[in-house]
Amino acid sequence: QVQLVESGGGVVQPGRSLRLSCVASGFTFIHSGMHWVRQAPGKGLEWVAVISYDGTQAKYVDSVKGRFTISRDNSKNTVHLQMDSLRPEDTAVYYCAKDKSDYYHYGMDVWGQGTTVTVSS
Amino acid sequence: DIQMTQSPSSLSASVGDRVTITCRASQAIRTWLAWYQQKPGKAPKVLISIASTLAGGVPSRFSGSGSGTDFTLTISSLQPEDFATYYCLQSDSFPLTFGQGTRLDI
Repeated sequence: QVQLVESGGGVVQPGRSLRLSCVASGFTFIHSGMHWVRQAPGKGLEWVAVISYDGTQAKYVDSVKGRFTISRDNSKNTVHLQMDSLRPEDTAVYYCAKDKSDYYHYGMDVWGQGTTVTVSS
Repeated sequence: DIQMTQSPSSLSASVGDRVTITCRASQAIRTWLAWYQQKPGKAPKVLISIASTLAGGVPSRFSGSGSGTDFTLTISSLQPEDFATYYCLQSDSFPLTFGQGTRLDI
């Protein structure tokens, strides 16, 4: 079945880095755009970043531009989110999600279970 | 950025009720709108894409409509498993933005 499994979350001090990974299975990974979406405790959903099917295009929400980098390895069916200069306001559950299209227009149709990132001293 | 405003923010209803949730975009987004359902502690689940296309496996009591700036999600006859939080998402332009959510409870 179609599945996304995130890993890499944890507790980290402000200013430090963390790398999230998401392994996909059950669908043709190279055909799909991939997103990261986060949800702060008790809050709503916030889109973070997207990468196109071939990795040539990527976009970010303003609050993470210059600090986060999305990348993908199509040989390993994996998408990553490198998070640098972390701030307390980055504390959230981070979801990996697949787009119905090869980039972003159709929105997310499959979601992982999420991985928790806590930024605290 | 395109702002997505959902209404109501919360809603109390009963099994069997017909419920409508609306989402208004701050500028036209054609039909690049999706609806998601989220239950506590779980990942969101897609219900509707491109404003009115029902996702696979989603019961037909869910329907979506609208284009431009005004969209609706309708649940024709509420079932116990439908009590959850619902979000709209615009994917017309970056940054993609979600509505603030509508909590549906008894």
